[in-house]
Amino acid sequence: DAGITQSPRYKITETGRQVTLMCHQTWSHSYMFWYRQDLGHGLRLIYYSAAADITDKGEVPDGYVVSRSKTENFPLTLESATRSQTSVYFCASSHLGTGNVKLFFGSGTQLSVL
Amino acid sequence: KNEVEQSPQNLTAQEGEFITINCSYSVGISALHWLQQHPGGGIVSLFMLSSGKKKHGRLIATINIQEKHSSLHITASHPRDSAVYICAVNTGNQFYFGTGTSLTVIP
Repeated sequence: DAGITQSPRYKITETGRQVTLMCHQTWSHSYMFWYRQDLGHGLRLIYYSAAADITDKGEVPDGYVVSRSKTENFPLTLESATRSQTSVYFCASSHLGTGNVKLFFGSGTQLSVL
Repeated sequence: KNEVEQSPQNLTAQEGEFITINCSYSVGISALHWLQQHPGGGIVSLFMLSSGKKKHGRLIATINIQEKHSSLHITASHPRDSAVYICAVNTGNQFYFGTGTSLTVIP
C-alpha cells in the first residue's frame, strides 16, 4: 500500500543551503499540496498544483519553489534556507482539488535549519 | 484572524472518559474535516461531513451548519486515542486548518 510518501523524514541543514523535499503519490491524484506546520499555527499552505506543469502559490510561498513535471511527483525546494523555515512539512494530495473531497497526507518531513 | 478555532488546545483525560473537542469556523464551507495526528506521525482523515452526524467506532462527529460549529466526541477513551485532533474546513477552493487539540488519555 504505497499512497503518498515523503522524503527525507528528517533533515538538518545550514542557513543559506538549498534543500529539496520530495513527495511522491501513487494514486494519480490531480491535486497536490505542500503545507508547513508550526506551533501555534494551523497547517499553512505553501504551494499547490492542480496538474502536471500547473502550480500556484498558497498563503506562505516566499522562499520556496515547486515544480511538477510528472503527476506523481511534487518536490519542494528551499532555495536558500533560513532559520524561519525550520518546520514540519507535509505533502498532501486529492482527486479534485478542494471540492468536497478528502485530503491524503504524507508522513511529514521535519526540517531544522541551523 | 483564524478562520477555524478549536477548543480546548490541550486536554488530559482518564481512560474511559467521554471526550469532546469543539471547532468553530467563520467562513462558508462545503465540508468540514476532522483529522488525527499521532506524535511523530502523519495526518489521517477521520471524518468528512457537511451536515448532521457521523459515527465510526467510538468516534462521533457532529456539525451544525447554522451555528458554524462542529464537535468531535470520543466515547470510552483509551490511551491509544492520545493524539492531536485537527479541524479543517473546505471552502470549495481551499482548506483552512485549526491549530489542533492535543489529547492525552491516561491509563
